Amino acid sequence: QVQLVQSGAEVKKSGSSVKVSCKASGGTFSSFAINWVRQAPGQGLEWMGGIMGMFRTTTYAQRLQGRVTITADEFMTTSEMELNSLRSEDTAVYYCARGLGYHLNQGFDNWGQGTLVTVSS
Amino acid sequence: QSALTQPASVSGSPGQSITISCTGTSSDVGGYNYVSWYQQHPGKAPKLMIYDVSNRPSGVSDRFSGSKSGNTASLTISGLQAEDEADYYCSSYTGSSTQVFGTGTKVTVL
Repeated sequence: QVQLVQSGAEVKKSGSSVKVSCKASGGTFSSFAINWVRQAPGQGLEWMGGIMGMFRTTTYAQRLQGRVTITADEFMTTSEMELNSLRSEDTAVYYCARGLGYHLNQGFDNWGQGTLVTVSS
Repeated sequence: QSALTQPASVSGSPGQSITISCTGTSSDVGGYNYVSWYQQHPGKAPKLMIYDVSNRPSGVSDRFSGSKSGNTASLTISGLQAEDEADYYCSSYTGSSTQVFGTGTKVTVL
């Protein structure tokens, strides 16, 4: 069973950028989609975007378009999510999650452990 | 894309059945059979409980079942147990390779 292992917690200043990584331990996600989901403290889940492993096609949530970039390495073992122009409301736990298939239409059956990003002024 | 609407809280006694609704539009829940449900305990990552409206991943108890009618999907938990106390989220495909989550429901076992 492939495990998704994320990078550690980050503390960032408003206006800066953060990059969170998600490594597939014990395999690759070339046949799957990798999604990024965040959860602000005490709040619900928010889908941020994803990348389809087979085609490396990315899609982003409309409200984050232009601020978020999702990539995957050549071997489809690591995905990164970069969020720019950070604001206090970007403080959240960020999760990567593998889709059931290569398309970004199905549920997420394998989740990373989460990465806390704190944005301070 | 607006979040799907879920009741803020649902409660039940052990052994009872409860149902959580997830209301969207014809552009998401009503338009595709790609509704999923997740269980999240405090401080933990979400866990997939139902996918494609009514399918259970391997290892998920058959006490959990999903359905859909029109623009509303539902998750039913039968034989409610203390360990089912958690937050539950629905999600739906919205077309153009995007997804949206529900507002979340806190399930309390009385």
